[in-house]
Amino acid sequence: KAGVTQTPRYLIKTRGQQVTLSCSPISGHRSVSWYQQTPGQGLQFLFEYFSETQRNKGNFPGRFSGRQFSNSRSEMNVSTLELGDSALYLCASSLVQGANNEQFFGPGTRLTVL
Amino acid sequence: ILNVEQSPQSLHVQEGDSTNFTCSFPSSNFYALHWYRWETAKSPEALFVMTLNGDEKKKGRISATLNTKEGYSYLYIKGSQPEDSATYLCAFKGMYSGGGADGLTFGKGTHLIIQP
Repeated sequence: KAGVTQTPRYLIKTRGQQVTLSCSPISGHRSVSWYQQTPGQGLQFLFEYFSETQRNKGNFPGRFSGRQFSNSRSEMNVSTLELGDSALYLCASSLVQGANNEQFFGPGTRLTVL
Repeated sequence: ILNVEQSPQSLHVQEGDSTNFTCSFPSSNFYALHWYRWETAKSPEALFVMTLNGDEKKKGRISATLNTKEGYSYLYIKGSQPEDSATYLCAFKGMYSGGGADGLTFGKGTHLIIQP
């Protein structure tokens, strides 16, 4: 069974640009969550999608948005990039929504904002 | 803002020794506690999801306990091996959402190094 895949793996952008990251969950998984990892903050929850609807949201500004498609693939968009957005972005999938389900993480997208 | 604390921050252990570390979380509003292992250059890997007070879970040489009343979980590794070197993360989910607490709140991890 293929794992969670994320594209691209590495990305370099400049301040003010926007970026879209993609996540394909494990086949059959319908919930996708996104996390940001920075050296000082650790893993921080961005949002969770289930059945094409955002179910939960973390404490991030509106510049961070996402969506989920009918095949459960998810995209995350960050507009008007700031230097502080440089981070590893991880997505994780689980069978269904609910925090009592283990999450399977992808390899991440390393975003560098110059 | 939820506070999930892990201690110690880092740990050096001799191969063959047993070790344990702690995850502290809010004792009220508990819903679930996750443990993950994150090896360098790999993705975080789920170890346990615990939901009941008094839960004990085991996977090979690794086990975990949960005390929701006092707000802590212990992770134990018996007979440490070099392949156990990783960062161990716990993540808390509260019963009630809102205030940014909708998803999993991760601790900053315990970085474990096994010395041969």
